[in-house]
Amino acid sequence: KNEVEQSPQNLTAQEGEFITINCSYSVGISALHWLQQHPGGGIVSLFMLSSGKKKHGRLIATINIQEKHSSLHITASHPRDSAVYICAVRRSTDKLIFGTGTRLQVFP
Amino acid sequence: NAGVTQTPKFQVLKTGQSMTLQCAQDMNHEYMSWYRQDPGMGLRLIHYSVGAGITDQGEVPNGYNVSRSTTEDFPLRLLSAAPSQTSVYFCASSYVLRLGTEAFFGQGTRLTVV
Repeated sequence: KNEVEQSPQNLTAQEGEFITINCSYSVGISALHWLQQHPGGGIVSLFMLSSGKKKHGRLIATINIQEKHSSLHITASHPRDSAVYICAVRRSTDKLIFGTGTRLQVFP
Repeated sequence: NAGVTQTPKFQVLKTGQSMTLQCAQDMNHEYMSWYRQDPGMGLRLIHYSVGAGITDQGEVPNGYNVSRSTTEDFPLRLLSAAPSQTSVYFCASSYVLRLGTEAFFGQGTRLTVV
């Protein structure tokens, strides 16, 4: 079983929909990262969380340390949000363990 | 503000050839790491470094070497390329956790070994 599990693996949405991507992990962590990867592109960090909730524009990330679960929400989704979203957990050794990613496609 | 600069972006090698993937960062980050990304799998750690002169193996180190002679540079060497090393490679850097920071990634290198 992977130490970091994401769901769903693939997600399609109509423009304007509210989107939720989930991440569950089974190891102790010091922080959790949400990353974005566009097709053929590099990886960009969206959030780093160790507790609670963070918001940046239309993106919201939450984490529940007790339940070992995090969610990434996108409000009023747009076709430019189409990308792969990756959850990664940081261990106390600073090593990152990555989920396999959620491929999101938003259609006009 | 270059961030993490990774070169080349694309590379085709013949089996048995060697090459070096370059990674440089200008943020004075202690922690640098190399990952490979394969279809259907999460990024996997190849090697990492917590500072100049210090390197260690990750999850999939076989066939790769690294060195860290300066804080800025962390090259990844493929000693004798094999088709199994066909992948997309990413370099990343960050401060160690005590300073609390995001991870910064290079643009990736798409390597094909034929």
